[in-house]
Amino acid sequence: GEDVEQSLFLSVREGDSSVINCTYTDSSSTYLYWYKQEPGAGLQLLTYIFSNMDMKQDQRLTVLLNKKDKHLSLRIADTQTGDSAIYFCAEYTGGFKTIFGAGTRLFVKA
Amino acid sequence: EAGVVQSPRYKIIEKKQPVAFWCNPISGHNTLYWYRQNLGQGPELLIRYENEEAVDDSQLPKDRFSAERLKGVDSTLKIQPAELGDSAVYLCASSLGLGGLHNEQFFGPGTRLTVL
Repeated sequence: GEDVEQSLFLSVREGDSSVINCTYTDSSSTYLYWYKQEPGAGLQLLTYIFSNMDMKQDQRLTVLLNKKDKHLSLRIADTQTGDSAIYFCAEYTGGFKTIFGAGTRLFVKA
Repeated sequence: EAGVVQSPRYKIIEKKQPVAFWCNPISGHNTLYWYRQNLGQGPELLIRYENEEAVDDSQLPKDRFSAERLKGVDSTLKIQPAELGDSAVYLCASSLGLGGLHNEQFFGPGTRLTVL
């Protein structure tokens, strides 16, 4: 069955880069997403990558996809305290079915 | 433009009591989702609507959970009776519903349910 796994915690210093990793199981995934959840709020789409791409860059965000290893990563450059949140990896296999990971809680130390 | 609206934001009830959650999706979004998010977990789909039709309710515990989306806009999710294990955040999301293409979902802030 489909499954998405992430490490639970990451702590970085302000100004450093953060790298959040994710593995997924469904090779038929068409899109892979990164959502951000701040305290008391719903999830907000940060960025996404189509399965035939290796990399996508969007300002401070870089998404890397290794389809062979079913590994997805999100790099946040120059991490700020406002980036502290939970980051969810999700895979979309079509038919409106999106599978979410358990989320990685990012702590940014000033 | 208003986002997905949910109410109430918080609800505390005793076990065996009924509870209902309300969701108003983004205008024009045909697809509406109800998710349950347990503490420390990602959202898990309970039910998905295409307009007023429930097209995926395979994960909805039908013995105590029910949902409706009359007129294909607002939706309510009900639990009767609630159990201790139902304590979670209930998230509503909506999307344009473009079939197999990129499917960005827009989430509401959720309703945090505590069952005592």
